[in-house]
Amino acid sequence: DAKTTQPNSMESNEEEPVHLPCNHSTISGTDYIHWYRQLPSQGPEYVIHGLTSNVNNRMASLAIAEDRKSSTLILHRATLRDAAVYYCILRDGFGNEKLTFGTGTRLTIIP
Amino acid sequence: EAGVAQSPRYKIIEKRQSVAFWCNPISGHATLYWYQQILGQGPKLLIQFQNNGVVDDSQLPKDRFSAERLKGVDSTLKIQPAKLEDSAVYLCASSLGLAGGANVLTFGAGSRLTVL
Repeated sequence: DAKTTQPNSMESNEEEPVHLPCNHSTISGTDYIHWYRQLPSQGPEYVIHGLTSNVNNRMASLAIAEDRKSSTLILHRATLRDAAVYYCILRDGFGNEKLTFGTGTRLTIIP
Repeated sequence: EAGVAQSPRYKIIEKRQSVAFWCNPISGHATLYWYQQILGQGPKLLIQFQNNGVVDDSQLPKDRFSAERLKGVDSTLKIQPAKLEDSAVYLCASSLGLAGGANVLTFGAGSRLTVL
């Protein structure tokens, strides 16, 4: 799986938008961009994924750069429950289904 | 929809003892994964099953770790004998096994192992 680069940690104020960046300069044409998050003492949970176009769901939005070498996960209005480690992962559309995790970004929400 | 069930949630053993973890995936999910997560790191895949066959076990320390998925449903992961460095959270996940990169994994809460 291609490698991603994320900041180790970020802080944001409660009820404000949060933009979590991810760089994936070696992404291939068949790689999907997946985001998972891991709340304290829980297993990772799926957040969102995309291939080329921006995506929205009830949890978040995913903005993908035109050249696909970077993406941003957007939490529109952060709550204390959004404090977690966020993982950006590339998955080959024609390869194994497994997820290869990096160290992610630890998001702290300030009340 | 019921989630991925794992047990036990916590286990403390001494080194050289054995331990087993159990996982019940979401009904109908063909693919099952075991991950190891050491404190401060992201999860690392140990083994992946498709129904009851092994797809990937390249990172499983086969001299001490074993896993099986009988009848393509439940799975057990065993460690024998345990070492201090096996202290970690063992996560089970399952997925429908859809083709393409859109496949989504659902994780259980994990089993935390402490080896003394």
